[in-house]
Amino acid sequence: RKEVEQDPGPFNVPEGATVAFNCTYSNSASQSFFWYRQDCRKEPKLLMSVYSSGNEDGRFTAQLNRASQYISLLIRDSKLSDSATYLCVVNIPGNTPLVFGKGTRLSVIA
Amino acid sequence: NAGVTQTPKFQVLKTGQSMTLQCAQDMNHEYMSWYRQDPGMGLRLIHYSVGAGITDQGEVPNGYNVSRSTTEDFPLRLLSAAPSQTSVYFCASSRGGVDDEKLFFGSGTQLSVL
Repeated sequence: RKEVEQDPGPFNVPEGATVAFNCTYSNSASQSFFWYRQDCRKEPKLLMSVYSSGNEDGRFTAQLNRASQYISLLIRDSKLSDSATYLCVVNIPGNTPLVFGKGTRLSVIA
Repeated sequence: NAGVTQTPKFQVLKTGQSMTLQCAQDMNHEYMSWYRQDPGMGLRLIHYSVGAGITDQGEVPNGYNVSRSTTEDFPLRLLSAAPSQTSVYFCASSRGGVDDEKLFFGSGTQLSVL
């Protein structure tokens, strides 16, 4: 099983729709989880961290399910500007660098 | 506020040539790293450094060398370029340890090896 797995998509959704992505991770001891956003031909940028209690930032909600070892990202009221690739990032215990998933591509259509 | 600066933005090499991708950060970050990104492969870690004088290998280190003589700079050297090294390269840094959440990325270098 790969350390971090994501559905590559693409997810094609109309403006205003709600869309959710999941990301599974293999190491049950992982403690830190993040979502990064990457626009086409640009560098990745931190979107939000994922806390045990879940967290929300405007239209974006991130949740952690430790029992099933996955994190999720929910985007409400999708905008055209949300079109990007969303990268799931997880730490591997033992002071090793963060592991990036391959990303889920989202296209929001007018 | 320059952040992480990568040069060049684009480069074309012939097989066998060598070159250095430059990366500099002005945030006094201890941790720096190099990734390559290929279609369908995601970001793959090449080398990383937790401080000046310390480097370590990532997932795909073969064919690349790094050094960290100062906190600010972390150059990536291609010793003898191969077509398999055609990729987009990103440098990243963070204030904290290797698993610090706030990774700052440079804008990338598009490298083509013919």
